[in-house]
Amino acid sequence: AQSVAQPEDQVNVAEGNPLTVKCTYSVSGNPYLFWYVQYPNRGLQFLLKYITGDNLVKGSYGFEAEFNKSQTSFHLKKPSALVSDSALYFCAVSLPTSGTYKYIFGTGTRLKVLA
Amino acid sequence: SAVISQKPSRDICQRGTSLTIQCQVDSQVTMMFWYRQQPGQSLTLIATANQGSEATYESGFVIDKFPISRPNLTFSTLTVSNMSPEDSSIYLCSLTDRGDYGYTFGSGTRLTVV
Repeated sequence: AQSVAQPEDQVNVAEGNPLTVKCTYSVSGNPYLFWYVQYPNRGLQFLLKYITGDNLVKGSYGFEAEFNKSQTSFHLKKPSALVSDSALYFCAVSLPTSGTYKYIFGTGTRLKVLA
Repeated sequence: SAVISQKPSRDICQRGTSLTIQCQVDSQVTMMFWYRQQPGQSLTLIATANQGSEATYESGFVIDKFPISRPNLTFSTLTVSNMSPEDSSIYLCSLTDRGDYGYTFGSGTRLTVV
């Protein structure tokens, strides 16, 4: 079965330190990969995507993610965390070859940045 | 990208009743999607709604329980029918009009069934 895994329910990091939120996937074909962020009482907001090309993609709010095909991973990173980055982060995979835009979402990782 | 206005933002409902959630988009879009986010869990696709045709439901979701309307290219509703406490979730509408396969999401409806 096709799936997306976010192995950590929560990640704690001190403000100013680098952060990593992990994502691995198990899908057939060449998926498109995404990260979304959800702040309390808000909908999901798009952060960044990988479609093709450079394995390191840059997105909103200083976030970046590295696509690793051999490890089927797409980890989210930021060099210096801010308290305002505290939120729920979702990794998602889209399979455009299926003819639809349907996503498979990971279970989410709660990021807590400590002042 | 398009902007979605979703309402209500939250509601507390009695079991056995129904709630209709509305999403209004500020531009015309072809495909809209409805998701459910149960407490502490990820997002699950309920159905895909195209204007002028019946919604396509995912496994485990049926039209009688979650009827969807899509009367035009800027509006859609999802009804949660005959509610039970297990229906307590956040419901989100979304669309793909970014041109890059990314989604735009509504702000969500937090439903509590008592």
